[in-house]
Amino acid sequence: KAGVTQTPRYLIKTRGQQVTLSCSPISGHRSVSWYQQTPGQGLQFLFEYFSETQRNKGNFPGRFSGRQFSNSRSEMNVSTLELGDSALYLCASSSGHLGTGELFFGEGSRLTVL
Amino acid sequence: GENVEQHPSTLSVQEGDSAVIKCTYSDSASNYFPWYKQELGKRPQLIIDIRSNVGEKKDQRIAVTLNKTAKHFSLHITETQPEDSAVYFCAATEPNTGNQFYFGTGTSLTVIP
Repeated sequence: KAGVTQTPRYLIKTRGQQVTLSCSPISGHRSVSWYQQTPGQGLQFLFEYFSETQRNKGNFPGRFSGRQFSNSRSEMNVSTLELGDSALYLCASSSGHLGTGELFFGEGSRLTVL
Repeated sequence: GENVEQHPSTLSVQEGDSAVIKCTYSDSASNYFPWYKQELGKRPQLIIDIRSNVGEKKDQRIAVTLNKTAKHFSLHITETQPEDSAVYFCAATEPNTGNQFYFGTGTSLTVIP
């Protein structure tokens, strides 16, 4: 099986711009979640989608949004970028329905905001 | 919501020694506790997990213990090897909340040959 694929892997943006990141989950996985990873902060939960519905949302401002398509692929969008948004954004897919399954992570999209 | 704290943030051990990483959680409803290993420049990968109905689980050189009363769980690595060098994250999740995992801030383990 192909693993979780994230695109783009690296990107540089300037403050005020917006960015869209893409995630293709493992075939058959219906749950896709997004995490922000920064040094010293670990992995912070952004949101999770299951069967095209946002099931959970973390404590991030409304500038962070996402969606999931019928083929389970997911996108996340960050608008009005701030310097503090620079981070590695990890997508994870899972087949588990109730939070007791393994998360399979992608390699991440590293965003730098200048 | 749940809050997971992880200690220490960095840990150095001699090859062959044991390493212990500890995590505490705040929500007594949490019932699933995985550990992920992230090697430099790579994606996090699950190495072991434990559910709230079990007190200890072992897989070769790694083991995890859970104390529900004290709300803490620990990762134990015995006979450490240089390839164990990585960042380790603990996590917790509550039942029926989908896949919202609360992660600790990570422990950077260095095994000195």
